[in-house]
Amino acid sequence: GQNIDQPTEMTATEGAIVQINCTYQTSGFNGLFWYQQHAGEAPTFLSYNVLDGLEEKGRFSSFLSRSKGYSYLLLKELQMKDSASYLCAVLNTGTASKLTFGTGTRLQVTL
Amino acid sequence: GAVVSQHPSRVICKSGTSVKIECRSLDFQATTMFWYRQFPKQSLMLMATSNEGSKATYEQGVEKDKFLINHASLTLSTLTVTSAHPEDSSFYICSAATPGRRVGNQPQHFGDGTRLSIL
Repeated sequence: GQNIDQPTEMTATEGAIVQINCTYQTSGFNGLFWYQQHAGEAPTFLSYNVLDGLEEKGRFSSFLSRSKGYSYLLLKELQMKDSASYLCAVLNTGTASKLTFGTGTRLQVTL
Repeated sequence: GAVVSQHPSRVICKSGTSVKIECRSLDFQATTMFWYRQFPKQSLMLMATSNEGSKATYEQGVEKDKFLINHASLTLSTLTVTSAHPEDSSFYICSAATPGRRVGNQPQHFGDGTRLSIL
């Protein structure tokens, strides 16, 4: 089986930086994905990591360490609209696009 | 692009009713479609994987006779919740994929979800 863990809830202030961690235990790793999901909506793709290192995309960055089974999503210059759930998901080799989602982190951005 | 349409977006019905949810890939052929269920404040839970022209593969604990999945074409999969009860009330999300082909690094493309409420 797989374990993909995230903190359940986080709170941060508008304009600040927040880091959401994701740890995973899996076999046949083939990539890690981050999604944003607002309540009542489908997940929206944010980022993809398959090699170690940092991927930057605007205010959002994602980091991966395969040896440690660890990733984080970094959100800079937080805005109120960033209040949402953030899901990490792991893709395994040989699973034909099947994703296993983490427990999800609900982020609340406050004034 | 990779657009997935899910219908209906919301349904409210009486206990004992069967409800069908459709998932369509509009601009690509999806050999594989996934059905998820999501309860409030929880993550996505995969229910089943369907491949065009073959039987769906259900995750452990998901009743295949309760949640009927049909994937008869490369652009359409349906989920039927049979004899629905209040505990089946949830947010159901489909996604579509063509293994080996990604659009924008995404392995799956999600529909907008269906909010099912059973009274």
